[in-house]
Amino acid sequence: EIVMTQSPATLSVSPGERATLSCRASQSVSSNLAWYQQKPGQAPRLLIYGASTRATGIPARFSGSGSGTEFTLTISSLQSEDFAVYYCQQYNNWPPYSFGQGTKLEIK
Amino acid sequence: QVQLVESGGGVVQPGRSLRLSCAASGFTFSSYGMHWVRQAPGKGLEWVAVIWYDGSNKYYADSVKGRFTISRDNSKNTLYLQMNSLRAEDTAVYYCARESVAGTKGDAFDIWGQGTMVTVSS
Repeated sequence: EIVMTQSPATLSVSPGERATLSCRASQSVSSNLAWYQQKPGQAPRLLIYGASTRATGIPARFSGSGSGTEFTLTISSLQSEDFAVYYCQQYNNWPPYSFGQGTKLEIK
Repeated sequence: QVQLVESGGGVVQPGRSLRLSCAASGFTFSSYGMHWVRQAPGKGLEWVAVIWYDGSNKYYADSVKGRFTISRDNSKNTLYLQMNSLRAEDTAVYYCARESVAGTKGDAFDIWGQGTMVTVSS
């Protein structure tokens, strides 16, 4: 089973600044990695798939990079609506379709 | 528009059963793999089960294997999760989700329902 580890658990950033979130896989998942955003009381929303491809309707300030075991989600200039919890997920070796434990992005 | 709507959640005693439903609309349901994902209160996301677009294969998380059964009725555009022998640790919001590419096996989840809460308590 592939274990996904996200860091940090909580990230405090000011609006307008850049946020960098990390995700590490316990073994290679190639580029079969997705990022999701979840706000309180809402379902997760797909942001990035294939490690670096933005999903439909996702603003260009969101970008993903990495392959193999190390991945990064970058939000270039934080807007108020971006403060949420972010999850990475691998869909290369399944089952299970493992999620990371999440990174909470909070306002500094 | 493309939509998934879950139903069937509620409060149930340990050891009892519950069946969740997920009604799909706005897309060709029979072409997509479908998943159940759950989230315990204040916790992260946990994948539960997947069923291929044609129902030919099903896979489960170890935590629910042997107790939960995923199924689908493509004529009714509906996904199901039969949950038996429920435990307190099954308490969670249950989401259904669609794989993003038709016909594939193993892809990101692009459409999610709003979730249905299941509480297992005596």
